[in-house]
This record gives sequence, C-alpha cells and structure tokens, in this order.
Amino acid sequence: GQNIDQPTEMTATEGAIVQINCTYQTSGFNGLFWYQQHAGEAPTFLSYNVLDGLEEKGRFSSFLSRSKGYSYLLLKELQMKDSASYLCAVRSQQAGSYQLTFGKGTKLSVIP
Amino acid sequence: EAQVTQNPRYLITVTGKKLTVTCSQNMNHEYMSWYRQDPGLGLRQIYYSMNVEVTDKGDVPEGYKVSRKEKRNFPLILESPSPNQTSLYFCASSLGQMNTEAFFGQGTRLTVV
Repeated sequence: GQNIDQPTEMTATEGAIVQINCTYQTSGFNGLFWYQQHAGEAPTFLSYNVLDGLEEKGRFSSFLSRSKGYSYLLLKELQMKDSASYLCAVRSQQAGSYQLTFGKGTKLSVIP
Repeated sequence: EAQVTQNPRYLITVTGKKLTVTCSQNMNHEYMSWYRQDPGLGLRQIYYSMNVEVTDKGDVPEGYKVSRKEKRNFPLILESPSPNQTSLYFCASSLGQMNTEAFFGQGTRLTVV
C-alpha cells in the first residue's frame, strides 16, 4: 500500500516564502509530482521530481529525498492568487504498470 | 486548443438510474484515468487505461465501469449509482504512463439522491 502525508492547511503572508512538506511510504517509487488546485477547478501540474535534489521553476521549487521519503514544495514571493490546494502525488510501479496516488492536499491561504 | 473535456459538468440523478460521464481528449494521449475527489480523502483513482482496449482498476473501482474503444474517449459508467458515489469526478490524460504531466478535465459534480 501507499501512504502520503501532507499538512491539511497552511497560512502565509503575501510576499513571503512558504514550504509545503510531503512524506510518503511506497514500494516501487517512480516519481513525485506537485499539482495546484484552485477551489472548484481541475488540478494543474506544477513540478516533477524523480531524482534527489531541487527542481526550480520560477517562483516554485520542489525538492526530493528518496531515502527519506520526503519532498517539499517551496513557493517564493507569495501572491494572493497562490491561495489554492497543493497536491503531492507519488507514482509507483507495480506488476508492470504505473499508478499515481495523491495525498489529501494542503490548503494554502495567502493573506495580505 | 489542447484539452480534456468532460460532460456533463453537473448531474443530479436518482439511485439505480444508469449514467455515463464522457471524457474526450484531443492530444492523442495514450494514458487516461478517472479520479473521484471527496472532502478529507483527496483524489482517488477509479480506473485507468494505458491504451485502446487496455483498462485496469485503480484504488476504488467498485460500482464503476469504463471502456476504451478509441484513443480519444474514456467514458465512466455507473450501472446502478448509489448515494455514496456522490462526488467530484475528474478525467485525466497523459502522453504515456511515464510522461510527467497529466492534464485534467474540468470535473463533473455528481449527486445521487
């Protein structure tokens, strides 16, 4: 089975930096994804890590440590429009096929 | 415009009345999947398809059927809906299993009374 944990809610101030953590336990790990989902909308892809280290994409960065089963999403220069849920998802390979399992999401509120 | 289209966006139905939610993508993607999203439970995979005529169960397949007769379409069928299938449903597609980015449809909010 798979277990993915991330905080339920976080609040941060406009212009600040926030780090959203994700820990996972899985067999056949094959990559970790972060998605952003605004209320009532579809998830949209943010980042992907399969090797250890930091991936940077503009204001967003994602880090992975496979040995620790740990990832984080770092959002810099927070804007009000960053208020959304952030979903951590782990891809695993099992019996010849791949499965994507999502965490329950972290609802981020950005306040002025 | 590259997109995944689901229909309907909203549906209220009664217990036991068969329904189909359609999903279509115009990106020639091989991999398609269905998820349901419930408060406190997150996104859970119902079924997925690696290519035409190839489908497999996800984490919560009970009460659902799918088919993949052509590459672009992946309908979700509820033969006898029950109230516990009230949920927000998302269809997603990606180029292949190993491709990084999945594109999601806009969602179908289903209520079964």
